[in-house]
Amino acid sequence: QKEVEQNSGPLSVPEGAIASLNCTYSDRGSQSFFWYRQYSGKSPELIMSIYSNGDKEDGRFTAQLNKASQYVSLLIRDSQPSDSATYLCAVKVGAGSYQLTFGKGTKLSVIP
Amino acid sequence: GAVVSQHPSRVICKSGTSVKIECRSLDFQATTMFWYRQFPKQSLMLMATSNEGSKATYEQGVEKDKFLINHASLTLSTLTVTSAHPEDSSFYICSAIYMGSYEQYFGPGTRLTVT
Repeated sequence: QKEVEQNSGPLSVPEGAIASLNCTYSDRGSQSFFWYRQYSGKSPELIMSIYSNGDKEDGRFTAQLNKASQYVSLLIRDSQPSDSATYLCAVKVGAGSYQLTFGKGTKLSVIP
Repeated sequence: GAVVSQHPSRVICKSGTSVKIECRSLDFQATTMFWYRQFPKQSLMLMATSNEGSKATYEQGVEKDKFLINHASLTLSTLTVTSAHPEDSSFYICSAIYMGSYEQYFGPGTRLTVT
């Protein structure tokens, strides 16, 4: 069973701080990784995709991937109350499939 | 770009009736779409994979005769919940694969309430 693990939280950070969200995955052969944001009552929204080891930055968001440790993270700089949401880590299943395996999500709360 | 729409956004139906939900990729073609269900405070549950021009692939435990999926074109997939019961009340969300990538873009979801 291919698994994606996230700390369910809630993770509380003060406004302006860096929020660090972590995710581990069990399938060593995974190649594609995604972070989604889901506000309460809404559908997931793609924030970042990352395919290679290292860091990928997009505005206030940085995704970090370490395939050797089977670890992917999302950093949110200068956190804002509007960043308060559940963040889902997703890993593409296998080479011949477009399916994603989702973690259960980490709830982030940014305190003004 | 990469916009996915769903219709309706909310629907209330009586037990025993059928409900159709449409999922459209508005600005791209999607050979593969997915249907998910999410109960309150729970994670996404994949129901089925919908491929244009072929039969959908259902996940274990999902009744294919109850949840009918049709992917008639590269921009439209439909999910019909047949003979709905109150336990089918949930948030149904579709996603589409952006061609040439592995990125899934989600529709806004349909909240179904069966009375």
